[in-house]
Amino acid sequence: GAVVSQHPSWVICKSGTSVKIECRSLDFQATTMFWYRQFPKQSLMLMATSNEGSKATYEQGVEKDKFLINHASLTLSTLTVTSAHPEDSSFYICSANRDRGRGDTQYFGPGTRLTVL
Amino acid sequence: QKEVEQNSGPLSVPEGAIASLNCTYSDRGSQSFFWYRQYSGKSPELIMFIYSNGDKEDGRFTAQLNKASQYVSLLIRDSQPSDSATYLCAVNTGFQKLVFGTGTRLLVSP
Repeated sequence: GAVVSQHPSWVICKSGTSVKIECRSLDFQATTMFWYRQFPKQSLMLMATSNEGSKATYEQGVEKDKFLINHASLTLSTLTVTSAHPEDSSFYICSANRDRGRGDTQYFGPGTRLTVL
Repeated sequence: QKEVEQNSGPLSVPEGAIASLNCTYSDRGSQSFFWYRQYSGKSPELIMFIYSNGDKEDGRFTAQLNKASQYVSLLIRDSQPSDSATYLCAVNTGFQKLVFGTGTRLLVSP
């Protein structure tokens, strides 16, 4: 299989604080990871593509200065929500690409539920 | 026009029946196709992937791909109440990221 972990699984913070979420590929190396956000009863929304050793590519409308992404190794990407506000409360999910010989297959982490008070 | 389209449902089937989930895509250059299952409040879980035209079977699941018609489907045999979830179709158009449909909600009644 391909296991992707996220930490923490849930976090509650006060408005104005920053929150860091870690995404790890446990049994494979991932040159590419992705960060998604999902609001209740809505579809997955891709926020950014994270490539190891280079700057992340953000989707249109996603503030790169607010959502800082670092992909420092082949098994770890981090998302930092800076100066979080209640509207940032959401389910944040990472995924990692694994090459299966005929292209990449994307595996998801379990998600991090962020609540900003 | 959405790149990957799915009927949002809900698709309701009785326990033991075959559930048929459908997906169409617009990019003829799409290379690979995926089905994910997402339970409420959880992250998506990969069920199947398919690259070539035809059928691919894995247990109770069968993925079907028809590139000429730009159509991919997922059949779930002997549906169980535990199969009740949202099923996401995803397409790799040749770039790193996947394009997801909005998902079909499946309800399997006992």
